[in-house]
Amino acid sequence: DVKVTQSSRYLVKRTGEKVFLECVQDMDHENMFWYRQDPGLGLRLIYFSYDVKMKEKGDIPEGYSVSREKKERFSLILESASTNQTSMYLCASRGGINQPQHFGDGTRLSIL
Amino acid sequence: QKEVEQNSGPLSVPEGAIASLNCTYSDRGSQSFFWYRQYSGKSPELIMSIYSNGDKEDGRFTAQLNKASQYVSLLIRDSQPSDSATYLCAVNPPGTSGTYKYIFGTGTRLKVLA
Repeated sequence: DVKVTQSSRYLVKRTGEKVFLECVQDMDHENMFWYRQDPGLGLRLIYFSYDVKMKEKGDIPEGYSVSREKKERFSLILESASTNQTSMYLCASRGGINQPQHFGDGTRLSIL
Repeated sequence: QKEVEQNSGPLSVPEGAIASLNCTYSDRGSQSFFWYRQYSGKSPELIMSIYSNGDKEDGRFTAQLNKASQYVSLLIRDSQPSDSATYLCAVNPPGTSGTYKYIFGTGTRLKVLA
């Protein structure tokens, strides 16, 4: 079974802090994704990566950056956290084209 | 216009009944389709993948795909209260954007009444 592990289930940070969310997958998948999910808005893609050191912006990249130094790890960075970034953050990975995405347990992030 | 549309619900069905969840998509030529179940406060969990027209069965779940009409549906037979969740439809659109990005619907909330 695919295992996608997110470093924290719950996180509370302060406005202006730099926040790191980590995601690790154990299936040697090339593709990894970061989403945020808010009530009524569904899943929104922030960034995705299709190879080590390769990244592309999703639909809502503003205020975020990502890092993929190793194939199994994809990090999401909130450069200067703001209250409107309070959300559930979901990491996913996927193998080949047309294969399903597999999600981690999610990180519920609160920015105070 | 949304690329993947689902009725938000809630869809309420009695225990033991068949629940029917529908999803329409706009990009003709989309190749792969997925159903996820998401319990409140949890992450999406893959239930079914379907790639060809017709039905695909897995236990109490049946996915149905009709590419000509651009819809995909999920049937849950003998619905149980534990099936109460939000069901997300995901589509792999054609073109280079679909190589990496899937489009998710906003989900249908299902309530199975005991």
